[in-house]
Amino acid sequence: GQQLNQSPQSMFIQEGEDVSMNCTSSSIFNTWLWYKQDPGEGPVLLIALYKAGELTSNGRLTAQFGITRKDSFLNISASIPSDVGIYFCAGGTGNTGKLIFGQGTTLQVKP
Amino acid sequence: GAVVSQHPSRVICKSGTSVKIECRSLDFQATTMFWYRQFPKQSLMLMATSNEGSKATYEQGVEKDKFLINHASLTLSTLTVTSAHPEDSSFYICSAPTRETQYFGPGTRLLVL
Repeated sequence: GQQLNQSPQSMFIQEGEDVSMNCTSSSIFNTWLWYKQDPGEGPVLLIALYKAGELTSNGRLTAQFGITRKDSFLNISASIPSDVGIYFCAGGTGNTGKLIFGQGTTLQVKP
Repeated sequence: GAVVSQHPSRVICKSGTSVKIECRSLDFQATTMFWYRQFPKQSLMLMATSNEGSKATYEQGVEKDKFLINHASLTLSTLTVTSAHPEDSSFYICSAPTRETQYFGPGTRLLVL
């Protein structure tokens, strides 16, 4: 079945540093979504990407849909303590709306 | 953005009982909703696709007779965990797609004693 490989698995950084995480797959996706999940809560959408090569920003967050449609990255600039959480990438195919999730990247920010 | 709610947020039940979880899209209609399960420190795993007006579609390995899904209206899907056992303890999350993207509910923490 389709799988997404998300890396790194975890990151521990200093406040103010930039962060980068990515997802790769052997399969092609039509949509790439990035979510953040806080403990005990559902995932919250950060950025949605719909076209190969698309580069989209949301405040300090920037994400790109890889040109091959098999990968995506998320960058967080000038991290702050509230960026702490688990970040998931999710790939979507076709019109079913089904999403395949990456394994998640746990981010910890030291003040 | 679109809002999806879940009820209850957490539930504790005895082994052998059934538990119903509701998922509602609050400001949009959803002919399809999705149910996920998430174990501690793991990613979300799709369990089934809930279809309004027709049977749910289950992912491989998910028992349809154990996890009953009813898409009662364009804004409500329910997941019933029948004869729950301790191994069913998990975080259950629903989602509903819009034309642009997909929004998730806040999740339901189920603990089966």
